[in-house]
Amino acid sequence: NAGVMQNPRHLVRRRGQEARLRCSPMKGHSHVYWYRQLPEEGLKFMVYLQKENIIDESGMPKERFSAEFPKEGPSILRIQQVVRGDSAAYFCASSPPGHVSYEQYFGPGTRLTVT
Amino acid sequence: DAKTTQPPSMDCAEGRAANLPCNHSTISGNEYVYWYRQIHSQGPQYIIHGLKNNETNEMASLIITEDRKSSTLILPHATLRDTAVYYCIAPLGKLIFGQGTELSVKP
Repeated sequence: NAGVMQNPRHLVRRRGQEARLRCSPMKGHSHVYWYRQLPEEGLKFMVYLQKENIIDESGMPKERFSAEFPKEGPSILRIQQVVRGDSAAYFCASSPPGHVSYEQYFGPGTRLTVT
Repeated sequence: DAKTTQPPSMDCAEGRAANLPCNHSTISGNEYVYWYRQIHSQGPQYIIHGLKNNETNEMASLIITEDRKSSTLILPHATLRDTAVYYCIAPLGKLIFGQGTELSVKP
């Protein structure tokens, strides 16, 4: 039973480029959550999605960041025009269908470095 | 979310029980307590959760006081691989990770 998959594991982008981070939830899971961990800081909730719906995006920066979870395929976290402050580890988690679950299963993360 | 308070760090000898405390004095009657851990550079890992009864699974035990104002996560026989940051969370709407307790298991 494969766990949550994230790719790429490491991503280097120059300032101004776009970063696309992918997350494939565990089999049978239809809820996806994205978190960001800045260097030497704690995990911060960004967004909660269900298939084709954004449920809670209260943690998303107002500009340059977007997330989607299409009917088919992985969830995508997109960061446009990256800046150095976007350098962080981005973790995705998933949970089974039903009401919001706090028993979430996390992927290994994508480490974004902006040069 | 109810605010949780944990000691910033703790040490434990390998093979001994690790008892990690958490205060959540403002928790409401329907808020669960969840524990996660994050081993260095890895994604967080769910450990256990409870409402008011003590809970046990293959990873740990969770003891919640009768007034629900505090809880203790117990790792019965800590190993070096249990070295991690442990987070106590009382979520309402989303998981809010605080600073957690950095547990160091020493040989």
